[in-house]
Amino acid sequence: EDKVVQSPLSLVVHEGDTVTLNCSYEVTNFRSLLWYKQEKKAPTFLFMLTSSGIEKKSGRLSSILDKKELFSILNITATQTGDSAVYLCAVEEYNNNDMRFGAGTRLTVKP
Amino acid sequence: DVKVTQSSRYLVKRTGEKVFLECVQDMDHENMFWYRQDPGLGLRLIYFSYDVKMKEKGDIPEGYSVSREKKERFSLILESASTNQTSMYLCASSFAGPSYEQYFGPGTRLTVT
Repeated sequence: EDKVVQSPLSLVVHEGDTVTLNCSYEVTNFRSLLWYKQEKKAPTFLFMLTSSGIEKKSGRLSSILDKKELFSILNITATQTGDSAVYLCAVEEYNNNDMRFGAGTRLTVKP
Repeated sequence: DVKVTQSSRYLVKRTGEKVFLECVQDMDHENMFWYRQDPGLGLRLIYFSYDVKMKEKGDIPEGYSVSREKKERFSLILESASTNQTSMYLCASSFAGPSYEQYFGPGTRLTVT
C-alpha cells in the first residue's frame, strides 16, 4: 500500500536550535515530493523536490531528497518561535493527480 | 496574486442536513481538489477534478459528492451530514501537467452537531 510517513510526530525545541524533520515514502509512480508549512490556516508551500541529492534552500530552511532510500529531510537552522507549525510532506504520483500526505510533524519552538 | 477562496471559514450544521462547500480559484487552473484534515491523519483527498464536469474519487469519497460546472468553481456536497464529517475542509487548485504545485484556500471548519 502506498504511504507517506513523517517523523517525529512532534518536536519541541528552543530558539536557536537546528531541527531535522523526516519523510519516508512508498509510492508506485513517484513524481515529486513536496513540503508544506501549516499554521492556523491552509498549508503554505515550501519546497518541491524531484531529483535526488540536490538541496533546495530558502533562508534558514533546506531540504533534500534521496530517491534510492525513498526519503526526504527538511532542515531548519537557528529556529525561531515563528517556525512553530505543522510541517507536512506530500508525495505526488505520475498518471494521476493524487497527492499523498503524511500525518505531519508538529514543531514547537520555545523562546 | 494566486487566490483560492472558500465560501465559509466556519460552518455549523445539524445531522442530516445537506451541506454545500464552495471553492473558487482565479488562476485559470485545470485541477481542483477537496481535502479534509483531521488531527493525526494529515490531509486526505476526497475528490478532485481535472476539467469542467470531470471528477475523480480520492481516498475517502464516501458521503460526499462534487460539482464542477465552471472551471473556476468546485463545490463539495455533503448529501446528509453526519457527525463524523466534522472536520477542516481544504480546497486546492493547480495547473495540469508535471510537477505542478497546489495552492490552498483558507479552509472551512465544519462542525456537524
